[in-house]
Amino acid sequence: DAGVIQSPRHEVTEMGQEVTLRCKPISGHDYLFWYRQTMMRGLELLIYFNNNVPIDDSGMPEDRFSAKMPNASFSTLKIQPSEPRDSAVYFCASSATGGFSYEQYFGPGTRLTVT
Amino acid sequence: AQSVTQPDIHITVSEGASLELRCNYSYGATPYLFWYVQSPGQGLQLLLKYFSGDTLVQGIKGFEAEFKRSQSSFNLRKPSVHWSDAAEYFCAAGGGSYIPTFGRGTSLIVHP
Repeated sequence: DAGVIQSPRHEVTEMGQEVTLRCKPISGHDYLFWYRQTMMRGLELLIYFNNNVPIDDSGMPEDRFSAKMPNASFSTLKIQPSEPRDSAVYFCASSATGGFSYEQYFGPGTRLTVT
Repeated sequence: AQSVTQPDIHITVSEGASLELRCNYSYGATPYLFWYVQSPGQGLQLLLKYFSGDTLVQGIKGFEAEFKRSQSSFNLRKPSVHWSDAAEYFCAAGGGSYIPTFGRGTSLIVHP
């Protein structure tokens, strides 16, 4: 298996622009998580899905952030409009329900820079 | 509410020395416990996990961790550190109806 795939790996954009981050989870995994990592706040859970349905989006910082999972093999995290404080590394992770362990497999991340 | 505390932000050790990274959790029941490692520019990789049974868990890369219920701890250890172990280490607790909560991480610096 190729693992969790994220694209792009790096994104540089100007303030006010729309940014879309993409994630392909591991085949067969039914949970998908979006995290944001910064020096100041560490690793923050933004939202997670179970069987393509958003379960908890309480970590989404504001209405500028939205996430979708149209099918089991694809998810997007969108920021519109982007702001410099959104600069961070965004990780996608997936896991399988078996044993309710939530052992997560992380993608390589997307480093977002908003100027 | 569940929480995970990693009290050390940075740890510096010499290559070949032993290592212990601390992790304490607050949880309603015995959680599933995890240690992840993050090398620079990469995602998090699972080092080891504890679900039940033997409280000493072996992981990849020569790491081990010990679950101590009385201390609500799950400390990570390695008897001899290699320069390639320099990375960020994250402890996480979860399971059952709770998705994992991550600690803030401990940055390991290895001196030659």
